[in-house]
Amino acid sequence: KAGVTQTPRYLIKTRGQQVTLSCSPISGHRSVSWYQQTPGQGLQFLFEYFSETQRNKGNFPGRFSGRQFSNSRSEMNVSTLELGDSALYLCASSHSGSNTGELFFGEGSRLTVL
Amino acid sequence: ILNVEQSPQSLHVQEGDSTNFTCSFPSSNFYALHWYRWETAKSPEALFVMTLNGDEKKKGRISATLNTKEGYSYLYIKGSQPEDSATYLCACHYSNYQLIWGAGTKLIIKP
Repeated sequence: KAGVTQTPRYLIKTRGQQVTLSCSPISGHRSVSWYQQTPGQGLQFLFEYFSETQRNKGNFPGRFSGRQFSNSRSEMNVSTLELGDSALYLCASSHSGSNTGELFFGEGSRLTVL
Repeated sequence: ILNVEQSPQSLHVQEGDSTNFTCSFPSSNFYALHWYRWETAKSPEALFVMTLNGDEKKKGRISATLNTKEGYSYLYIKGSQPEDSATYLCACHYSNYQLIWGAGTKLIIKP
């Protein structure tokens, strides 16, 4: 069974640009959540999608958005990039998104904003 | 604002020694606690998901306990090995499905 796949793995952008990151969950998993990790910080929750609906959203500005497609693949977009957006972005999937379902993480997309 | 705290922030342990660390969390509206291991250059990997007060889980040399009334969980590693070196993350589910993550405990095993 293929794991969670995130693309691209690494990318470099400049301030003001926008970026789209992609996440393909494990087959059969309907919940996809996104996290940001910066040096010295824990995982910061961005949002969670379940069956194409955003079920939960973290405390990030509106420049951060996401969506989920009917095949459960998800994308997140960051517009008007700032230096502080440089981070590792992790995506995780779970079968049902229930409170007791373990998460399966991708390897992340490392974004550098210059 | 819900806050999950992990201590210590980092830990150096001699190979063969046993160790433990703590995750503290608000107990109101608590649903579940997750432990993950995150090795360098890899993805976080689930260790345990725990829901019931007094729950104990074990996987090989690693075990965890949960006290939902007082809001803490301990992770124990018996006979530490170099491959145990990783950051151990704890996260708690509350009623809104959102997982609140601790900042992690970085464990370094000294040979």
